[in-house]
Amino acid sequence: AQKVTQAQTEISVVEKEDVTLDCVYETRDTTYYLFWYKQPPSGELVFLIRRNSFDEQNEISGRYSWNFQKSTSSFNFTITASQVVDSAVYFCALSAAEYGNKLVFGAGTILRVKS
Amino acid sequence: DGGITQSPKYLFRKEGQNVTLSCEQNLNHDAMYWYRQDPGQGLRLIYYSQIVNDFQKGDIAEGYSVSREKKESFPLTVTSAQKNPTAFYLCASSTWTEETQYFGPGTRLLVL
Repeated sequence: AQKVTQAQTEISVVEKEDVTLDCVYETRDTTYYLFWYKQPPSGELVFLIRRNSFDEQNEISGRYSWNFQKSTSSFNFTITASQVVDSAVYFCALSAAEYGNKLVFGAGTILRVKS
Repeated sequence: DGGITQSPKYLFRKEGQNVTLSCEQNLNHDAMYWYRQDPGQGLRLIYYSQIVNDFQKGDIAEGYSVSREKKESFPLTVTSAQKNPTAFYLCASSTWTEETQYFGPGTRLLVL
């Protein structure tokens, strides 16, 4: 079974649309960490957010927001009013003792924002 | 400026040749990592090091070797035993293994 599942392989939207990237994870641990990274065409992974399992508050940072729901093991990422510069591959990742506290990545979602 | 540097940006390997990818960080991080990324896939861990002179195998260590002689440096050697080395290689570091990892710009390895 996939430890981190990003079911959307590729999403295309038109500029100014809102878009949500889904992430479902699997772990038996009660303490774990979830991450989102952005990989623009240049290739470098850019850290966006780290959330621990005890903090279920949704977080907003500018046009970005994250919805963490332990009941459904999901950590979804929404971009409001998307822009062309948001075009990138987005990775969700999990760190848990069950997996040696190493980052386990999903396969990524390619986001294309068209002008 | 603090950060992680990787060199070269592109590297070409001939059959039977070993090549070494450089990774340097000035963030004073204890832990360093090497990942491999293939097209359309997520990152897979090759090796990681939590402290100088110590390192552990990740999920796909076969055909690779590393060293950690200095805290700032974690070079990766792709040996001739790695039969399919063409990929994008990313180095990362963190204060400790449970903490956020920060990534370098990557090295793209191509086989001639």
